[in-house]
Amino acid sequence: KNEVEQSPQNLTAQEGEFITINCSYSVGISALHWLQQHPGGGIVSLFMLSSGKKKHGRLIATINIQEKHSSLHITASHPRDSAVYICAGDNYGQNFVFGPGTRLSVLP
Amino acid sequence: KAGVTQTPRYLIKTRGQQVTLSCSPISGHRSVSWYQQTPGQGLQFLFEYFSETQRNKGNFPGRFSGRQFSNSRSEMNVSTLELGDSALYLCASSLNTRLAGSSYEQYFGPGTRLTVT
Repeated sequence: KNEVEQSPQNLTAQEGEFITINCSYSVGISALHWLQQHPGGGIVSLFMLSSGKKKHGRLIATINIQEKHSSLHITASHPRDSAVYICAGDNYGQNFVFGPGTRLSVLP
Repeated sequence: KAGVTQTPRYLIKTRGQQVTLSCSPISGHRSVSWYQQTPGQGLQFLFEYFSETQRNKGNFPGRFSGRQFSNSRSEMNVSTLELGDSALYLCASSLNTRLAGSSYEQYFGPGTRLTVT
């Protein structure tokens, strides 16, 4: 069993739909990161959170420490949101453990 | 402000050779982290440097090494290349280390795609 898992593995949505990507982890972490990787490889760091909820534009990230679970929500999805979304557990600055990624395609 | 730059962008090497990759962080950033991404293993953490000191290292063999210079530029070296080292190598820079807590934010470079034949 991987230390960080994501679901779904692949997701196709219609433009405007509300999207949820889930991340669960089995290791102790100090923070959870969400990354976005576009075709071609470029990675953008979206959120780092250790508790509660953060919002940036149409993106919302939540974390439940007790349940070892985080979600990334995209409201009013757009084709430009098509990318691979990766969550990563930060092990108190010592290591980073990455999930396998969720490939999102938003169709116009 | 210029972003994180990595050189070279593409590289082809032969098994047994060694390779050095370079990363120039955003001006003012003191922390540089390196990552390896392969289709099979996904993203994996290699190491983090802060103020010329290696702060931590992922689970990679000693063939993988790095260093950071006084201007915060960083290099990573892989010796005795193996076919399995073919990957996209990414570096990311930040003002401080992940121990800084909620103020931590890292910016990724475009990566160096290494092919080992």
